[in-house]
Amino acid sequence: AQSVTQLGSHVSVSEGALVLLRCNYSSSVPPYLFWYVQYPNQGLQLLLKYTSAATLVKGINGFEAEFKKSETSFHLTKPSAHMSDAAEYFCAVSEGDGGNNRLAFGKGNQVVVIP
Amino acid sequence: KAGVTQTPRYLIKTRGQQVTLSCSPISGHRSVSWYQQTPGQGLQFLFEYFSETQRNKGNFPGRFSGRQFSNSRSEMNVSTLELGDSALYLCASSLGGGAGANVLTFGAGSRLTVL
Repeated sequence: AQSVTQLGSHVSVSEGALVLLRCNYSSSVPPYLFWYVQYPNQGLQLLLKYTSAATLVKGINGFEAEFKKSETSFHLTKPSAHMSDAAEYFCAVSEGDGGNNRLAFGKGNQVVVIP
Repeated sequence: KAGVTQTPRYLIKTRGQQVTLSCSPISGHRSVSWYQQTPGQGLQFLFEYFSETQRNKGNFPGRFSGRQFSNSRSEMNVSTLELGDSALYLCASSLGGGAGANVLTFGAGSRLTVL
């Protein structure tokens, strides 16, 4: 069964500094990988997805993630943090073949941006 | 176009009662998934419906049930509520068919408090 590990429930980053959120996955088949962001009192919004087309995936709001099969990782980065990036971020994996939308989520990273 | 709509947004129930939550997917989306989000367990998959049929089910007791109507709207029901059922219940819709990853679009959630 697929699973996701996100270390460090709370991540503090200075405004303008690099944002790096780590995600490692476990999957028995080539996975589909996703990063979602959740703002307070809201649902989850898709940041980006990996579907095997390219290992470096660019998403919204300046975020990108790199799929590394050898490391079973899909880390999320943003070169320069903005105050509006303060939110909770979730990595998710799906073994879906198009007929299976079941996602397994990591525990999430609460990002705090320090002015 | 309209997003995923969940009602009610907030509700308070007492132990032993039952609750029904509603989800209207994006127009044209045939798959509806439900997730439970709690501080302790994170995001956990409840079930997925596609074309009125339950296609996937998570590891929740039988008190949790759902259904999907011909217009793709979905409801989930929790009977004999327990304190531990207090959570944010998220609904997500997707096109649901075909090959490749199906991106889930989430609603804002229904926050259930059980007293």
